Amino acid sequence: DIQLTQSPSFLSASVGDRVTITCRASQGISSYLAWYQQEPGKAPKLLIYAAATLQSGVPSRFSGSGSGTEFALTISSLQPEDFATYYCQQLNSYPLTFGGGTKVEIK
Amino acid sequence: QITLKESGPTLVKPTQTLTLTCTFSGFSLSTSGVGVGWIRQPPGKALEWLVLIYWDDDKRYSPSLKSRLTITKDTSKNQVVLTMTNMDPVDTATYYCAHIPGYGDYFDYWGQGTLVTVSS
Repeated sequence: DIQLTQSPSFLSASVGDRVTITCRASQGISSYLAWYQQEPGKAPKLLIYAAATLQSGVPSRFSGSGSGTEFALTISSLQPEDFATYYCQQLNSYPLTFGGGTKVEIK
Repeated sequence: QITLKESGPTLVKPTQTLTLTCTFSGFSLSTSGVGVGWIRQPPGKALEWLVLIYWDDDKRYSPSLKSRLTITKDTSKNQVVLTMTNMDPVDTATYYCAHIPGYGDYFDYWGQGTLVTVSS
């Protein structure tokens, strides 16, 4: 199985901050990576797929980068509605796997 | 507009079989490339992929749970059914079904989720 390690697991930031979350795969997955946002008590929401393609309707302050084993999700200017938990997911091979999550909280 | 909704029991006893139904609208599971997957999330923990089924009835299972899972689809009813046998308290989680678009195993639309508690 491909393991995904997210860092940090917890992040405290202020509105307007630039935030970067990383996801490291245990083996190369090309660009077969997605990012999700999950607000408390809600279902996850797809933000980015193919490592860097923004899902329709997602604000442009979100961006994804990377390939192979190292990936990043960047929020250019954190907004109040962005405080949530973020997960990466690989779809290079089965079983599909998710990272452990990064919780972004208000400083 | 694509929507999905999970339904089933909220409480099951250990050793029982769980049956969950995902009823969807806005797409057809007979469309090439499309699929539906199940993902669960124990309280306070990360997401875990369980299984998915494609338009052509191809199925993929998580190896760690494969012996306990069955997934089927009823295209005419727009439903996907998940069964999980021999339930244990560690299976307590919110169970989600989600739509897979035809261009990759991403989950672009999710149901609201249903919390299943396993307890005697």
